[in-house]
Amino acid sequence: DARVTQTPRHKVTEMGQEVTMRCQPILGHNTVFWYRQTMMQGLELLAYFRNRAPLDDSGMPKDRFSAEMPDATLATLKIQPSEPRDSAVYFCASGWADRNYGYTFGSGTRLTVV
Amino acid sequence: AQSVTQLDSQVPVFEEAPVELRCNYSSSVSVYLFWYVQYPNQGLQLLLKYLSGSTLVKGINGFEAEFNKSQTSFHLRKPSVHISDTAEYFCAVSDNKAAGNKLTFGGGTRVLVKP
Repeated sequence: DARVTQTPRHKVTEMGQEVTMRCQPILGHNTVFWYRQTMMQGLELLAYFRNRAPLDDSGMPKDRFSAEMPDATLATLKIQPSEPRDSAVYFCASGWADRNYGYTFGSGTRLTVV
Repeated sequence: AQSVTQLDSQVPVFEEAPVELRCNYSSSVSVYLFWYVQYPNQGLQLLLKYLSGSTLVKGINGFEAEFNKSQTSFHLRKPSVHISDTAEYFCAVSDNKAAGNKLTFGGGTRVLVKP
């Protein structure tokens, strides 16, 4: 089965450090999402891309977060500087938006900022 | 704007008993509806989806859901649960516009199946 690959699976970092999370979407999918999951807020949409172009990043704190798709096989989410409140599980998902068959999620990156 | 409400945050249920997870949504446009399951320390897996047509949708692992437009609901059911169904379940809605299609999730319902 095709899958969305996220790296790293776990990351522990100190406050103030830069964190980069990577996602390899399923080959051929034209839409990529970044979600954040916390106990308090549940699943929050941070940003999403269509054909590598950013469509909506209104859910992302702009001063410290950035999301990019340098090519069709890689999406990145960066946090600089990281803060303890950024501790969460970050999920990437990909799919075909126009067909709305549902999206395939990666296993997530569990980020802990100490 | 669209939103999803899952009315129960936790549902304990005995093995082989039926379970129903409630989901209500609000949207100003036609929607697509989804149920996802998340097992511990894993990502979300699609259980089933409603796009159009029959309001009763069957998914994987014996789950089914019924779309009720007048009540804006999409409740998930399984007639007989197994221990392996212990997980968190998320209802999600996507707008029916080609330019959008982002998923908005409910808060999740944690199902604990007891022997």
